[in-house]
Amino acid sequence: GQQLNQSPQSMFIQEGEDVSMNCTSSSIFNTWLWYKQDPGEGPVLLIALYKAGELTSNGRLTAQFGITRKDSFLNISASIPSDVGIYFCAGVSGTYKYIFGTGTRLKVLA
Amino acid sequence: EPEVTQTPSHQVTQMGQEVILRCVPISNHLYFYWYRQILGQKVEFLVSFYNNEISEKSEIFDDQFSVERPDGSNFTLKIRSTKLEDSAMYFCASGGVFSYEQYFGPGTRLTVT
Repeated sequence: GQQLNQSPQSMFIQEGEDVSMNCTSSSIFNTWLWYKQDPGEGPVLLIALYKAGELTSNGRLTAQFGITRKDSFLNISASIPSDVGIYFCAGVSGTYKYIFGTGTRLKVLA
Repeated sequence: EPEVTQTPSHQVTQMGQEVILRCVPISNHLYFYWYRQILGQKVEFLVSFYNNEISEKSEIFDDQFSVERPDGSNFTLKIRSTKLEDSAMYFCASGGVFSYEQYFGPGTRLTVT
């Protein structure tokens, strides 16, 4: 079946550093979404991308929809301790079928 | 701010028993979803629901699972005969008509013993 691979799997960074993570697939998606999940809670939508090549920002977060429609990238600038959590990408295929990535676990060192 | 709510927060059941997980989606949303997340793993799509019928379902969503919108506010997931491997967090989500953005509830932790 369809699979989304995220890298890195986990990362430790210093507070104030910029963070980059990506999501790749062998399948084409028409929409990409990025979510953050804190322990014991549901995923929270960060950014939605609808067009190939689209670059969208939400505060310190910037995400891009890859030109091939098979990948997406998320950048976090000037990380802070509350950025800690698991970041998931999700691709939408078919009619409202969402495939989630494997997740990137972010840990921020103060 | 409107939010998706789920009950119960934790359900413990014995293998073979039926469970019903409940969700109240955001009131003006028309698309509804169930996902599951086994501890420490990724979020897995189960089913999407629109206009009182299933839009899409995954391979996980077999005959043991069913969904229903019994009234104007609730959206339920029923597991007919639970197995040990059904133990997971189950998340409900809802979304509007004109975008693919969806919003998740806090989840129900299902423990099958």
